Amino acid sequence: KAGVTQTPRYLIKTRGQQVTLSCSPISGHRSVSWYQQTPGQGLQFLFEYFSETQRNKGNFPGRFSGRQFSNSRSEMNVSTLELGDSALYLCASRYLAGGSYEQYFGPGTRLTVT
Amino acid sequence: AQSVTQLDSHVSVSEGTPVLLRCNYSSSYSPSLFWYVQHPNKGLQLLLKYTSAATLVKGINGFEAEFKKSETSFHLTKPSAHMSDAAEYFCVVSSAGGGADGLTFGKGTHLIIQP
Repeated sequence: KAGVTQTPRYLIKTRGQQVTLSCSPISGHRSVSWYQQTPGQGLQFLFEYFSETQRNKGNFPGRFSGRQFSNSRSEMNVSTLELGDSALYLCASRYLAGGSYEQYFGPGTRLTVT
Repeated sequence: AQSVTQLDSHVSVSEGTPVLLRCNYSSSYSPSLFWYVQHPNKGLQLLLKYTSAATLVKGINGFEAEFKKSETSFHLTKPSAHMSDAAEYFCVVSSAGGGADGLTFGKGTHLIIQP
């Protein structure tokens, strides 16, 4: 079974621009979560989608948004990019939402904002 | 609310010796606990998980962890370290219902294997 895939793997953007990241979950998984990983803050939860609905949201500004499609693929959008948005963005999928279900992570998208 | 504390930011062991990575957690609900490993420039890989079944959990690559409710700990161990174990390890807590916080990650422990 194919794993979680994320595109693109690397991205360089300029301050003020916007960016869209894509995530394809493991086949059959209906929950997709997004995380931001930085050296200073570690791994922080952004949001989780289940059946096209946002189920949970972390403590990030409204510039960070996402959506999920009927095939469970998910996109994350960051508008008006800031230097501090430079990070590794990880997507994870699981079969169902719920704390006992383990998440499977993709390789991440490395975003650099200049 | 839930939180995770990984007690060591770096652990260095010699190849062939035991590994101990320490993790303490707090959770308002019955927690699920996970250990993930991240090799350089890679995503996270699940090592093992605890979900209120057996307190001693066996994972991949010879790793295991013991859930101790009285100590609110979930330490990761391996009897004999291998060079390929060098990586960043994350202890993760999730409340039973998923919770508004999703998964809460520890800050990570960097495991160094000396030849």
